[in-house]
Amino acid sequence: KAGVTQTPRYLIKTRGQQVTLSCSPISGHRSVSWYQQTPGQGLQFLFEYFSETQRNKGNFPGRFSGRQFSNSRSEMNVSTLELGDSALYLCASRPTGVGTEAFFGQGTRLTVV
Amino acid sequence: DQQVKQNSPSLSVQEGRISILNCDYTNSMFDYFLWYKKYPAEGPTFLISISSIKDKNEDGRFTVFLNKSAKHLSLHIVPSQPGDSAVYFCAASDVSSVGNNRKLIWGLGTSLAVNP
Repeated sequence: KAGVTQTPRYLIKTRGQQVTLSCSPISGHRSVSWYQQTPGQGLQFLFEYFSETQRNKGNFPGRFSGRQFSNSRSEMNVSTLELGDSALYLCASRPTGVGTEAFFGQGTRLTVV
Repeated sequence: DQQVKQNSPSLSVQEGRISILNCDYTNSMFDYFLWYKKYPAEGPTFLISISSIKDKNEDGRFTVFLNKSAKHLSLHIVPSQPGDSAVYFCAASDVSSVGNNRKLIWGLGTSLAVNP
């Protein structure tokens, strides 16, 4: 079974630009969550999508948005990039059942210059 | 407000000795706890979990202990190996969430260094 796939792995953008990151969950998983990791800040929860609907949201500004498609693939968009958005963005998928274990992708390293 | 706290940002242990990573939580509604391990530039990988109906769960060199009255859990690694050097995250799941809509609340992580 293929794992969680995130593309691209690395990205360099300039301030003010926007960026879209992609995540393909494990086959059969309907829940996809996005996290931001910066040094010293741990895993900051961005949002979770389940069956194309956002059902949980963290405390991030509206510049951060996402969506999920009918095949459970998800995209995350950040508009008007700031230097502080430089981070490792992680996507995690979970099965539909009662298990709460999340399976993570390798992440997208975003650098804003 | 950090509901899951890992108060030690780093820990250094000699190879072969025991590593003990601690995690405290404040929400009494948490009923399921997980430990993840993360290497640099990779996503976290699941290590071990424990349900609130248990006080101990063991998997090879890894044991997680849960003390519900103290709202404290710990991960023991025995014996520690250099390959265990990574950041360890504690996460908790909230029983008050409905059905499959269970959020995972994460600690900030503890960086473990196992020295040869």
